[in-house]
Amino acid sequence: QQQVKQSPQSLIVQKGGISIINCAYENTAFDYFPWYQQFPGKGPALLIAIRPDVSEKKEGRFTISFNKSAKQFSLHIMDSQPGDSATYFCAASFTGNQFYFGTGTSLTVIP
Amino acid sequence: NAGVTQTPKFRVLKTGQSMTLLCAQDMNHEYMYWYRQDPGMGLRLIHYSVGEGTTAKGEVPDGYNVSRLKKQNFLLGLESAAPSQTSVYFCATSFGRSDTEAFFGQGTRLTVV
Repeated sequence: QQQVKQSPQSLIVQKGGISIINCAYENTAFDYFPWYQQFPGKGPALLIAIRPDVSEKKEGRFTISFNKSAKQFSLHIMDSQPGDSATYFCAASFTGNQFYFGTGTSLTVIP
Repeated sequence: NAGVTQTPKFRVLKTGQSMTLLCAQDMNHEYMYWYRQDPGMGLRLIHYSVGEGTTAKGEVPDGYNVSRLKKQNFLLGLESAAPSQTSVYFCATSFGRSDTEAFFGQGTRLTVV
């Protein structure tokens, strides 16, 4: 059973556009929701993360929106650039437990 | 400071052969994980360890064994490789608290023919 459901599987965006990736979870014990970015041939690396006590976190062009009641969170990439082309994974965890990852979204930003 | 290092980076095995993947970390992290990454499946946890001498099963443990004899090393073993184990394997480490980052190695691409 997939603990974290992610959509879409792939996404093509024009340079300068907004990329939006969505995730949903069921386990209300989760208290940490990171997003990881992975370039081809590399391991995933932390991009941005949020705790459920806030509804939004912004770091540069990247924003996480969190809806605790709906058990959903999303990644918004503003002014998308070709260098943002990568695979993005959402994840969820709680203290002392493992990370549960979504199935990933392949983002392509067209120049 | 190398972070998380996986050995080897690539390997081709014949069905039935065995091998061990090594993950070494110099970050003094308690938690270590082995994931496999397959197209459309995301990252699936195979086994993990919460400290030296401990191991636990993840989502997809069948066909794999692990050992954590030293805090800095986490070994993943395949006793009798099958084509279904063709995948990219990632090791990761973390402090174990929920709000801390997981650091990944560069991956091992394994092909079983």
